[in-house]
Amino acid sequence: SQQGEEDPQALSIQEGENATMNCSYKTSINNLQWYRQNSGRGLVHLILIRSNEREKHSGRLRVTLDTSKKSSSLLITASRAADTASYFCATDGMEYGNKLVFGAGTILRVKS
Amino acid sequence: DAGITQSPRHKVTETGTPVTLRCHQTENHRYMYWYRQDPGHGLRLIHYSYGVKDTDKGEVSDGYSVSRSKTEDFLLTLESATSSQTSVYFCAISLQGTSTDTQYFGPGTRLTVL
Repeated sequence: SQQGEEDPQALSIQEGENATMNCSYKTSINNLQWYRQNSGRGLVHLILIRSNEREKHSGRLRVTLDTSKKSSSLLITASRAADTASYFCATDGMEYGNKLVFGAGTILRVKS
Repeated sequence: DAGITQSPRHKVTETGTPVTLRCHQTENHRYMYWYRQDPGHGLRLIHYSYGVKDTDKGEVSDGYSVSRSKTEDFLLTLESATSSQTSVYFCAISLQGTSTDTQYFGPGTRLTVL
């Protein structure tokens, strides 16, 4: 079962534009993480946001968390062709112990 | 890929044959994980280990077994491979095993079961 589900499934934008991906989850969480996966590679951790945080920044990344709506968004500003990848949210929760549960991901394509 | 190697990187096998995938880490992390990645499902946890000889089941453990006899190696075995086990398999490691812990992933093994 998936705790987190990303939306949209796929996104295509022009270089320089902003990209926003959303993650919705079902049960209460302690933390939410975002990962990136380039084609043919393993996942790479981007950012973690705790349940008591509402927003977090890391370089061109901005993550928000709305626990009342059980949703998170990942914003990539001024996108580059190198941002082309799949993006996954990963959540935890009481039902899953300490194990992360990953969503199906959003495929982002940045056209140059 | 954070000192994690997986072998083999690609494998084609036939239904009913045993298959063992290896994950090797040089980071001395306590926790190791095996995931499978399928289109539309993201990553799903198969098994994980929290120390030498200490393992537990994940979400999709049926048909898989694991072993960890050394800190650095975590083996995933398909006793009798089936076509439904065709997938890309990722190993991951983490230091503390908590949900705040970053997981570091290997490059993946693409397994095809004919």
